[in-house]
Amino acid sequence: DAEITQSPRHKITETGRQVTLACHQTWNHNNMFWYRQDLGHGLRLIHYSYGVQDTNKGEVSDGYSVSRSNTEDLPLTLESAASSQTSVYFCASSGPGTYRSELFFGEGSRLTVL
Amino acid sequence: TQLLEQSPQFLSIQEGENLTVYCNSSSVFSSLQWYRQEPGEGPVLLVTVVTGGEVKKLKRLTFQFGDARKDSSLHITAAQPGDTGLYLCAADNDYKLSFGAGTTVTVRA
Repeated sequence: DAEITQSPRHKITETGRQVTLACHQTWNHNNMFWYRQDLGHGLRLIHYSYGVQDTNKGEVSDGYSVSRSNTEDLPLTLESAASSQTSVYFCASSGPGTYRSELFFGEGSRLTVL
Repeated sequence: TQLLEQSPQFLSIQEGENLTVYCNSSSVFSSLQWYRQEPGEGPVLLVTVVTGGEVKKLKRLTFQFGDARKDSSLHITAAQPGDTGLYLCAADNDYKLSFGAGTTVTVRA
């Protein structure tokens, strides 16, 4: 069965370190998204991609970057982790066979920055 | 400022009772979606509503899209403990989704 997987599921890091969260989908979806989820804020869009070599900033993109070298993967990098980036991160995808922006989510990556 | 306002933020009811969750905005949307999220998991799509005034039913869940396509509601009839979770509404914003903050629903046995 097609799926979307995130790794690691849990990570603890220190302030200032670089962190990369992986996202891999086997749906062959063109569109991929990264959200963060914090209490009281719901899901906020960090970055998104509509295809290979395409990346776009979302509403909370400062301190984050993504790259899209193939259809299946959209890694999220925190260049210099800050305590404010402690959160649960969700990767999602959408594409052909779904109505416009219907999303399929991964199980999340919980990041703690000390 | 949240594009979508969900109310209430928390809801705790007894098994068998009914509940309604609201999602409101000042903007008009081409479509609106409802997701349910359980602890430790990602959100899962429940339904997409597209047409103003549209009503969709999914077993004991009834979803309605406002006539002006600015608001939506989710009604659960005879709630069960399995309905416990975080309910999120999300609006189509140029092929991207903007989410409300969610309503945490707890159904006590």
